[in-house]
Amino acid sequence: SQQGEEDPQALSIQEGENATMNCSYKTSINNLQWYRQNSGRGLVHLILIRSNEREKHSGRLRVTLDTSKKSSSLLITASRAADTASYFCATESYNTNAGKSTFGDGTTLTVKP
Amino acid sequence: EAGVAQSPRYKIIEKRQSVAFWCNPISGHATLYWYQQILGQGPKLLIQFQNNGVVDDSQLPKDRFSAERLKGVDSTLKIQPAKLEDSAVYLCASSLDLRTSYEQYFGPGTRLTVT
Repeated sequence: SQQGEEDPQALSIQEGENATMNCSYKTSINNLQWYRQNSGRGLVHLILIRSNEREKHSGRLRVTLDTSKKSSSLLITASRAADTASYFCATESYNTNAGKSTFGDGTTLTVKP
Repeated sequence: EAGVAQSPRYKIIEKRQSVAFWCNPISGHATLYWYQQILGQGPKLLIQFQNNGVVDDSQLPKDRFSAERLKGVDSTLKIQPAKLEDSAVYLCASSLDLRTSYEQYFGPGTRLTVT
C-alpha cells in the first residue's frame, strides 16, 4: 500500500515560475525524502527531512514538513526547463524496517521554456 | 565514484519464460534494494538486503521471483515464469548502511516487456 501520496499528479508551468508539490502520508515517520526521476532514468535523491525538522533548503529547493498534518511540500523556485521530471516523496515509517522507504506515485512536472 | 550499474537495460521476453537482472551497487554500500516500477507509478520495494542478508522481502512474489546477493556485493533478481503483469522497470538502489544513511542511489533500471 502507498504511504505517501503526491499532489497534484501533474503540473505544468512556465520557466521562471515556482513549482509546489505536496505529499501526504498516513502513519508516523522517521524521515521523508524527495527524489527526481527524468524520463527513462533512475531516481536521483534531492533532499531528506527528518521528523524533528520543519524546513530544509538546498539550492532552489525548499522542503517543509508538518508532522501534525502528516504532509510535506517541495518548492522549486525559478524553475528551468531542465527541472521537467517526475518528483516522488518517500517516507520511512517508525513501524517498518530501518532503511525501508515507501514511495508515492509522483508528480509529473513540465516546465515550458 | 562509479554509480549503481544494472544490466541489461532492456529485455523483451514471452510470458512463461524466465529472466534475470544483475546489479552492481556502489562500492562499500552495505544496503541493496530491488524495486519494481510500473508505468505511471512510484517504485515498489521488492526486496532489501543488508550485506548478504535479507532485511525485507514482504512484497516479493516468492512463487515466481527470487533474489540473491552472494558475498554481499552484486545481486541478481530472477523471474520464473514471467507473467504479462511483470512488465515494468526494475530498479536497483544502494545505500551506505541502513543504520546510518538513508539516501539511496539508483541505477538506470532494466525495462522488462513481457509479451
